Amino acid sequence: GAGVSQTPSNKVTEKGKYVELRCDPISGHTALYWYRQSLGQGPEFLIYFQGTGAADDSGLPNDRFFAVRPEGSVSTLKIQRTERGDSAVYLCASSRGQRGGTDTQYFGPGTRLTVL
Amino acid sequence: AQTVTQSQPEMSVQEAETVTLSCTYDTSESDYYLFWYKQPPSRQMILVIRQEAYKQQNATENRFSVNFQKAAKSFSLKISDSQLGDAAMYFCAYRSAPLYSGGGADGLTFGKGTHLIIQP
Repeated sequence: GAGVSQTPSNKVTEKGKYVELRCDPISGHTALYWYRQSLGQGPEFLIYFQGTGAADDSGLPNDRFFAVRPEGSVSTLKIQRTERGDSAVYLCASSRGQRGGTDTQYFGPGTRLTVL
Repeated sequence: AQTVTQSQPEMSVQEAETVTLSCTYDTSESDYYLFWYKQPPSRQMILVIRQEAYKQQNATENRFSVNFQKAAKSFSLKISDSQLGDAAMYFCAYRSAPLYSGGGADGLTFGKGTHLIIQP
């Protein structure tokens, strides 16, 4: 596709429920990132994939959060037993995966998650 | 860990005027990359400009330029001839060089952002 797409654009769920957020990266991009942006804050890094493997998951806040990228393209962020504090915009980005600062991250429009 | 600080929650400028957004960062690394991203109400982050720490020359992209002061760990963004379409949240971001990230890419560390208002 032309850009990074994320679905759904908005998700409302109840405390304790399980949610999945999907990210479709730009075709051919090997690197994929997930960020969380709380109200009034900048995005916060969660996890980075290079191909199918999670190269860095140091930003995941706890074991309720998990992400997969089984075929090296689409990624799913999974949140178990959601809490009200999980409410935020979840942003996905992808890049070519080249080393160095020229490897630009292109962002999707995000999924706004609201936990009631 | 690296930190990025944007001390201006909001800035306002008249259309066609020049505005400067401030950003400071803290790091013990000698090589890294700095970015300014724009986030309009659509939520999609858009890269405005990028600076490599080993380059002394300040980056420029059309009306956007930076003032990179490595010793002071300062990275400000200047927008010349402000336009209504420039209104957005602006985020400063830091990224480690591969030397410090195990040879691979790395996630971005963002500041809290500056809300830029353009007055017609």
